[in-house]
Amino acid sequence: GDSVTQMEGPVTLSEEAFLTINCTYTATGYPSLFWYVQYPGEGLQLLLKATKADDKGSNKGFEATYRKETTSFHLEKGSVQVSDSAVYFCALAANFGNEKLTFGTGTRLTIIP
Amino acid sequence: GAGVSQSPSNKVTEKGKDVELRCDPISGHTALYWYRQSLGQGLEFLIYFQGNSAPDKSGLPSDRFSAERTGGSVSTLTIQRTQQEDSAVYLCASSLTSPHSNQPQHFGDGTRLSIL
Repeated sequence: GDSVTQMEGPVTLSEEAFLTINCTYTATGYPSLFWYVQYPGEGLQLLLKATKADDKGSNKGFEATYRKETTSFHLEKGSVQVSDSAVYFCALAANFGNEKLTFGTGTRLTIIP
Repeated sequence: GAGVSQSPSNKVTEKGKDVELRCDPISGHTALYWYRQSLGQGLEFLIYFQGNSAPDKSGLPSDRFSAERTGGSVSTLTIQRTQQEDSAVYLCASSLTSPHSNQPQHFGDGTRLSIL
């Protein structure tokens, strides 16, 4: 079945450090890929998405590129801030018309000043 | 409000009782989803409603779980004869339907269910 594997946390970085959270997937067909974020005390919200190979999703300084050859969708940010502290979830929607999300286990990120 | 609304925000009940969780999706969103977020299991899909089509119930963990969506809007998730392993945060999401690509899902704040 479909699955998403992402970097185990927790991850702790200093402010202005470079961030990478790895995400790989297994799916048949051509899934859409997403990163969701859950800030402390808040609900889950979409951070960025990519719907086909080589697409790059970006938002709030975060980027992720859909790599079909490596079945990956790694999340990156060049300079993290304390306000980026949250839990990050990689997810896929398997095929168009089958839109339920399969999530990774989540990665807790803490940024220290 | 403009977002997905869930109620109650917290529910504590005794083992064996039935519970109902409610979700009000964003107006105009035809797709509605229920997920469960629990320790050790992460985020799991439960059930998916799309318009007037038969729901995708493939994620429901047992026949104690059921859900309805009345009038294509509000949805209720019912758990009968609750067990301690049902303790989790139950999340509802809704999305538009596009003929071109999967649309992002908008999540509510969830109902935190605790079974004593």
